[in-house]
Amino acid sequence: KNEVEQSPQNLTAQEGEFITINCSYSVGISALHWLQQHPGGGIVSLFMLSSGKKKHGRLIATINIQEKHSSLHITASHPRDSAVYICAVVWSTDKLIFGTGTRLQVFP
Amino acid sequence: GAVVSQHPSWVICKSGTSVKIECRSLDFQATTMFWYRQFPKQSLMLMATSNEGSKATYEQGVEKDKFLINHASLTLSTLTVTSAHPEDSSFYICSARDPREGTDTQYFGPGTRLTVL
Repeated sequence: KNEVEQSPQNLTAQEGEFITINCSYSVGISALHWLQQHPGGGIVSLFMLSSGKKKHGRLIATINIQEKHSSLHITASHPRDSAVYICAVVWSTDKLIFGTGTRLQVFP
Repeated sequence: GAVVSQHPSWVICKSGTSVKIECRSLDFQATTMFWYRQFPKQSLMLMATSNEGSKATYEQGVEKDKFLINHASLTLSTLTVTSAHPEDSSFYICSARDPREGTDTQYFGPGTRLTVL
């Protein structure tokens, strides 16, 4: 069993739809990252959170430490949001454990 | 946020040659940098942790004599793939920790795509 699991693995949406990507983990963590990887490969850090909720523009990330679960929401999705979204948990000072990613495609 | 660059962004080399990849923190001093490898449609896998002025710590299964890491300054870490083989073809990504922002934060570079012929 993977220590970090994301769902769904693939997601397609129409422009404007509300999108939710989920991340569940089985290890104790100090923080969780949501990352965005575009087709070219470069990774952008979207959020790092250890409790509660964070919002940046159309993106919202939540985490429930007790339930070992985090969600990334995208409101009013746009084709430029098409990317792979990766959840990564921080379980020691030097270690990130990555999920396998959710491939999102938003069609106009 | 902090900026991390990598050079080159892509490289093609012949089997048996060595390739050096640079990772730079552009606007902060990174005491710790990390090197990851990502195969197609797979997660990033940590290869090694690089601390300025000391030897890198390699993850289990990563050959330290094949993947040479040097972190000679607070803004530069290099990964050298020695005697490259086609199975080393992958996407190599570095990240850097900004010590001003706590130990949980990592900023990622844009990655280097290595193709070994």
